[in-house]
Amino acid sequence: GAVVSQHPSRVICKSGTSVKIECRSLDFQATTMFWYRQFPKQSLMLMATSNEGSKATYEQGVEKDKFLINHASLTLSTLTVTSAHPEDSSFYICSARDGRDRAGDTQYFGPGTRLTVL
Amino acid sequence: DAKTTQPTSMDCAEGRAANLPCNHSTISGNEYVYWYRQIHSQGPQYIIHGLKNNETNEMASLIITEDRKSSTLILPHATLRDTAVYYCIVSPGTYKYIFGTGTRLKVLA
Repeated sequence: GAVVSQHPSRVICKSGTSVKIECRSLDFQATTMFWYRQFPKQSLMLMATSNEGSKATYEQGVEKDKFLINHASLTLSTLTVTSAHPEDSSFYICSARDGRDRAGDTQYFGPGTRLTVL
Repeated sequence: DAKTTQPTSMDCAEGRAANLPCNHSTISGNEYVYWYRQIHSQGPQYIIHGLKNNETNEMASLIITEDRKSSTLILPHATLRDTAVYYCIVSPGTYKYIFGTGTRLKVLA
């Protein structure tokens, strides 16, 4: 149980285009999902917290107009990188909180999406 | 900033126990200790978590000191597939995770 999927696993796009990444909780409902970014040889950096049916909460320094997050259902959150530029190239990872846990509300992570902007 | 400190790297012989320490001296009473690992180019994999008591599952054991200021993740019989970056995180669970730099564990044949 507690499986999270992401689609696509990798994407290459031209500078100036927009890219949408999907994150799905496959066998549980996730009221909260999180989006992270990871640059090579670095740790995961939280970008935003996404709550179903409400606006996402962005971390300091993350442009909300550039990274659009939609959490329309209890099993799906999307991250859209708008007007992507080469510096947006990174590994994007989502996680979903499983509220069924007996304690601790563990987060489960997706496999990640490798974005390359040319 | 992350509330945990971990050694940058560790080596372990295959078949031996891998003991990964984590310091979290400022942990609050309602914060859990979570352990994840990340194999290259994959999303982090949940390993185990605990609040006060020691925990064990099919993957690992988690030993939390009585004052809760540190913990140790134990992989009882490390294999080459356990080579990964291991992250220790403290969080009240209903809150976001802040990742530190983790420990790069290398299991040697």
